[in-house]
Amino acid sequence: NAGVTQTPKFQVLKTGQSMTLQCAQDMNHEYMSWYRQDPGMGLRLIHYSVGAGITDQGEVPNGYNVSRSTTEDFPLRLLSAAPSQTSVYFCASSPGVMRADTQYFGPGTRLTVL
Amino acid sequence: SQQGEEDPQALSIQEGENATMNCSYKTSINNLQWYRQNSGRGLVHLILIRSNEREKHSGRLRVTLDTSKKSSSLLITASRAADTASYFCATDGTGGFKTIFGAGTRLFVKA
Repeated sequence: NAGVTQTPKFQVLKTGQSMTLQCAQDMNHEYMSWYRQDPGMGLRLIHYSVGAGITDQGEVPNGYNVSRSTTEDFPLRLLSAAPSQTSVYFCASSPGVMRADTQYFGPGTRLTVL
Repeated sequence: SQQGEEDPQALSIQEGENATMNCSYKTSINNLQWYRQNSGRGLVHLILIRSNEREKHSGRLRVTLDTSKKSSSLLITASRAADTASYFCATDGTGGFKTIFGAGTRLFVKA
């Protein structure tokens, strides 16, 4: 199993550009989530999904969209990048839909918005 | 706002010593988890403790939970240089499917 994979590993954008961060898992997990981590801070939940076709907002959803067309994939879209979105983005998946389940994290995408 | 807050923010110890990190949270929980993050990497799950449990062990790790004080502690015994990392607690809170992380404790173990 590859676990949770994220692409790209690094990305530089200009203000106003849009892009999609990719996340895929091969563990057949129902629950997937996106977090952002700013320097010296913990993770903040952006969006999550409890299964294909179902998504919901986390703590900091503004400026981001998600979709879940398959169990495996959970892309995160930045609609119009802003410098405040400079961060490291982590995708995670979890078996079942219980929020307390162990989450498995991807390696992260380091995004810089100029 | 973050549900969990770790204390201390940073901790530096000698190899072989024990390291204790604390986590306080605000609302009732069903479960609390601890994760480790090595520099520049993703988080790795260490242990989960349920609200009806008071203590749990995993290797050199011991986690306690006091729901009356809304706090948890992570003890790493006989620390090693490889334990150098950031440690985060995460709680689920009541309602919804959101796992909320604290800001973390940075542990540095000197060889």
